Amino acid sequence: DSGVTQTPKHLITATGQRVTLRCSPRSGDLSVYWYQQSLDQGLQFLIHYYNGEERAKGNILERFSAQQFPDLHSELNLSSLELGDSALYFCASSVVPQGGSDTQYFGPGTRLTVL
Amino acid sequence: AQKITQTQPGMFVQEKEAVTLDCTYDTSDPSYGLFWYKQPSSGEMIFLIYQGSYDQQNATEGRYSLNFQKARKSANLVISASQLGDSAMYFCAMREGLNAGGTSYGKLTFGQGTILTVHP
Repeated sequence: DSGVTQTPKHLITATGQRVTLRCSPRSGDLSVYWYQQSLDQGLQFLIHYYNGEERAKGNILERFSAQQFPDLHSELNLSSLELGDSALYFCASSVVPQGGSDTQYFGPGTRLTVL
Repeated sequence: AQKITQTQPGMFVQEKEAVTLDCTYDTSDPSYGLFWYKQPSSGEMIFLIYQGSYDQQNATEGRYSLNFQKARKSANLVISASQLGDSAMYFCAMREGLNAGGTSYGKLTFGQGTILTVHP
């Protein structure tokens, strides 16, 4: 158990709908990263938050958005869903040691199926 | 160009034998980190081992070791004494660059993975 929690574990929805994926980082971790794993694209970085602020964006679609709240949990919002959005969505958290290198610990993932 | 290349789509190993999973990387940044993760069939991503670009020694964590050859830009994972529970997908990943204060954090770029099957 990495200490990172993600809910829900599975999500089945229809095209055009909107969903919210939730992530709670490990205790003390200020950084939250979101990744998407699909068969055709592999594991792709979506977005990084640090202590409530967006730090970096990857190939995240405009239909997708995220935020990190004051209690450090994060949510990934996916809207106008398409069949191709079906994937495993991971959240990872890390602590950045002063002058050191962080290690990202992944949650169990949310498997999204768009029908 | 691919930043992380894992050329072995699948590997087979006999239980109790050692196995090497290959990973080559491409970066022009002098500061980077290399990671290996394990993804069992249940789907979670499990951190295994980390190697920094400035580390003089190869990283080891229990039965996992990283054969880091900087000039060749390779970071192969060696699993010793394979166990049935080692059967999984293995991903090599890289983080590039240094941030403020000499810390390193940021997105990971992953390879396509290698499926390891351990036979009894």
